[in-house]
Amino acid sequence: GENVEQHPSTLSVQEGDSAVIKCTYSDSASNYFPWYKQELGKRPQLIIDIRSNVGEKKDQRIAVTLNKTAKHFSLHITETQPEDSAVYFCAAPYSGAGSYQLTFGKGTKLSVIP
Amino acid sequence: KAGVTQTPRYLIKTRGQQVTLSCSPISGHRSVSWYQQTPGQGLQFLFEYFSETQRNKGNFPGRFSGRQFSNSRSEMNVSTLELGDSALYLCASSSGGRSSTDTQYFGPGTRLTVL
Repeated sequence: GENVEQHPSTLSVQEGDSAVIKCTYSDSASNYFPWYKQELGKRPQLIIDIRSNVGEKKDQRIAVTLNKTAKHFSLHITETQPEDSAVYFCAAPYSGAGSYQLTFGKGTKLSVIP
Repeated sequence: KAGVTQTPRYLIKTRGQQVTLSCSPISGHRSVSWYQQTPGQGLQFLFEYFSETQRNKGNFPGRFSGRQFSNSRSEMNVSTLELGDSALYLCASSSGGRSSTDTQYFGPGTRLTVL
């Protein structure tokens, strides 16, 4: 199955600075990489995803980059704001027998200090 | 469209009991996946159902089981509860099919506490 490593486990940044979270995966067949944000007591929400036919995707202050050769992908948040404080999870699919399951990283707790 | 819903939102049980959790996917979604979320282990995949059939299963003991109905609603059951089963149980729905790039949408979860 898929193995997803996520770093760092905690990250504190000053408001306005950038934050970067990195993930590595093991299954070279993986072709879809979502990122979820989970605020305290709430459900994980998809914030951005990237498919293997592109190397980078941006959505306002959020961007994700993918390096399929090295099997890693990263989440970049620029101009961080206090409402960005949450736990962020990366994921990669393991495809088998026509189905797939998402394997998640352990999460990164991001704290944005005003 | 209404989002993924889960009932109940909170449950308190004692060791040895069994519990059934319910998940209603987004209308039109045919795949439902279940995850266990704990502080130490993060999000761990339990199983996935599509068209009333279990398509994939994670590494959990047989005490964890599930099913899916013809309307795509899904239930999971945990028998002989243990203290370690205390967790947030999340379900996620996707359109299904055989694409490995379907986006999964999560429900709010059921917080299970085992005493």
